[in-house]
Amino acid sequence: EDQVTQSPEALRLQEGESSSLNCSYTVSGLRGLFWYRQDPGKGPEFLFTLYSAGEEKEKERLKATLTKKESFLHITAPKPEDSATYLCAVRDNYGQNFVFGPGTRLSVLP
Amino acid sequence: EPEVTQTPSHQVTQMGQEVILRCVPISNHLYFYWYRQILGQKVEFLVSFYNNEISEKSEIFDDQFSVERPDGSNFTLKIRSTKLEDSAMYFCASGRSANEKLFFGSGTQLSVL
Repeated sequence: EDQVTQSPEALRLQEGESSSLNCSYTVSGLRGLFWYRQDPGKGPEFLFTLYSAGEEKEKERLKATLTKKESFLHITAPKPEDSATYLCAVRDNYGQNFVFGPGTRLSVLP
Repeated sequence: EPEVTQTPSHQVTQMGQEVILRCVPISNHLYFYWYRQILGQKVEFLVSFYNNEISEKSEIFDDQFSVERPDGSNFTLKIRSTKLEDSAMYFCASGRSANEKLFFGSGTQLSVL
């Protein structure tokens, strides 16, 4: 059974204070790892897809990396508008569903 | 930019009543999903739908649940006899192919009293 854990559960940063979020996964054949952002009361919003170990994707202040067991979402010089819950999800080679982790709740203080 | 739309945004119902949650996926997408999120918990898979049939379902998706794509644009989730524990945010999602990202709607907050 595919499993996804995320750490930390919650993270408070000062504006401009860079940090990283972790997603650890166990999956029988990774088809893709996905990062989403979720604002309160809203649906997940797509950020990145990573398909193979060593791959990196970047968008504004966010950078996602992937190894064979985990993925990191690096946030450089965050701003208050980056405050949200960041979700990691995996898809394996055998099913169609996405298995989500519990998320990291990020707060960036001005 | 195209988006997944869900109606209603909020639904309040009495225990034992039937509810239908509605979704309009993105028009050229072929894969359709329902997920739910109980307050403070993770997003959980319910069911996937492809080529006019269920392709995968979770243990949560028991006989009380059904899905339908009645026409070329709508995708519905029916809960036949709601229970208190069905209270959650229900998200519809669609994708263009099996390998690509999913686009999520804004959700329907279901409250069962």
